[in-house]
Amino acid sequence: GEDVEQSLFLSVREGDSSVINCTYTDSSSTYLYWYKQEPGAGLQLLTYIFSNMDMKQDQRLTVLLNKKDKHLSLRIADTQTGDSAIYFCAEPNNFNKFYFGSGTKLNVKP
Amino acid sequence: EAQVTQNPRYLITVTGKKLTVTCSQNMNHEYMSWYRQDPGLGLRQIYYSMNVEVTDKGDVPEGYKVSRKEKRNFPLILESPSPNQTSLYFCASGASATTDTQYFGPGTRLTVL
Repeated sequence: GEDVEQSLFLSVREGDSSVINCTYTDSSSTYLYWYKQEPGAGLQLLTYIFSNMDMKQDQRLTVLLNKKDKHLSLRIADTQTGDSAIYFCAEPNNFNKFYFGSGTKLNVKP
Repeated sequence: EAQVTQNPRYLITVTGKKLTVTCSQNMNHEYMSWYRQDPGLGLRQIYYSMNVEVTDKGDVPEGYKVSRKEKRNFPLILESPSPNQTSLYFCASGASATTDTQYFGPGTRLTVL
């Protein structure tokens, strides 16, 4: 199957920026997604980027896409304790399958 | 309220005892899928369905079955559960597979003894 990789942990202080990175292998994906999972809950869509874009900004969130290196990143500005969660990048392929990364657990220290 | 529901939320069972986890969505979505979440492995797709009576294997289908007799329901069946199927299971639905948001259920924590 496809390989979507993320680092497992990230710890930041409240007010700092967080950057969560993801590498993927299928360059045919039309969209790439970021999902957020809060403790004890299912996944919720956080944001997404169309594959022909380099950057997308949505309030405190900035998504950067480097198609050449197959690298996706999520930047959270002014990180708050409520941002503590697990963040997953995901890519669907042309065969209607979804591939998720292992998830990055973001810990925000007050 | 648009939602994906799963039942049960928690289940402890024994090896070999058949079980079914139900999934239902009220958004008239065509695409539905099942995932399992294991520490350090993220979510892995078990099965997916493009529409009624159309199902296909994901990355980890062994030991699981699904059916899609109605658009809203997509049950996951474990005919003979084994301890390595102890996991957190999520059902999800979306208008399509690749270009639309996937909505996730709250999860079912399954323990097989």
